[in-house]
Amino acid sequence: KNQVEQSPQSLIILEGKNCTLQCNYTVSPFSNLRWYKQDTGRGPVSLTIMTFSENTKSNGRYTATLDADTKQSSLHITASQLSDSASYICVVSANYGQNFVFGPGTRLSVLP
Amino acid sequence: KAGVTQTPRYLIKTRGQQVTLSCSPISGHRSVSWYQQTPGQGLQFLFEYFSETQRNKGNFPGRFSGRQFSNSRSEMNVSTLELGDSALYLCASSPRTSGSYTGELFFGEGSRLTVL
Repeated sequence: KNQVEQSPQSLIILEGKNCTLQCNYTVSPFSNLRWYKQDTGRGPVSLTIMTFSENTKSNGRYTATLDADTKQSSLHITASQLSDSASYICVVSANYGQNFVFGPGTRLSVLP
Repeated sequence: KAGVTQTPRYLIKTRGQQVTLSCSPISGHRSVSWYQQTPGQGLQFLFEYFSETQRNKGNFPGRFSGRQFSNSRSEMNVSTLELGDSALYLCASSPRTSGSYTGELFFGEGSRLTVL
């Protein structure tokens, strides 16, 4: 069964600190993996898209990694800001982009 | 370039009623997909339309339906509303071309439905 798991479920950090969010998936055939940021009450916004051959991709203070062998991805946030408080959703695309499997998300709270 | 527009943003209905939500995709995008988001279930795929044809469908009852118009605008309808249908309904458009890699998903702000 195609599934995406994320950990931790929620995370609280202090402003300026770094953090890493995890995503494990069992999706086949794998097409790509995306990380989205969703502010409360808003639609998700794409952070990164990674295909099978990509190990690392950065978008400002956000760096995503992908290990296709172990089917794991991580999202590292550097020097967190209050505006990073949001849910981060891992989405794996299967079957040449025909289907999307969504993770439950990690709720990040950045405190001053 | 205007983003994905969803209307209405908020609405309240009672059990048994029906509701229609609208989504206008980014200009040039022919693929529109719909999602239900609840605190307990997260984001769940409802269906996707491309060139007025339903291409994929999630595991939702027949009370959930949709359609796409020739200008790529899409509507979804939920009939005989139940309390459990209370959720944020998100629409996303993508620059998908027929049969190929879907590409990036661009989400709207969502329509928050409350069923009383």
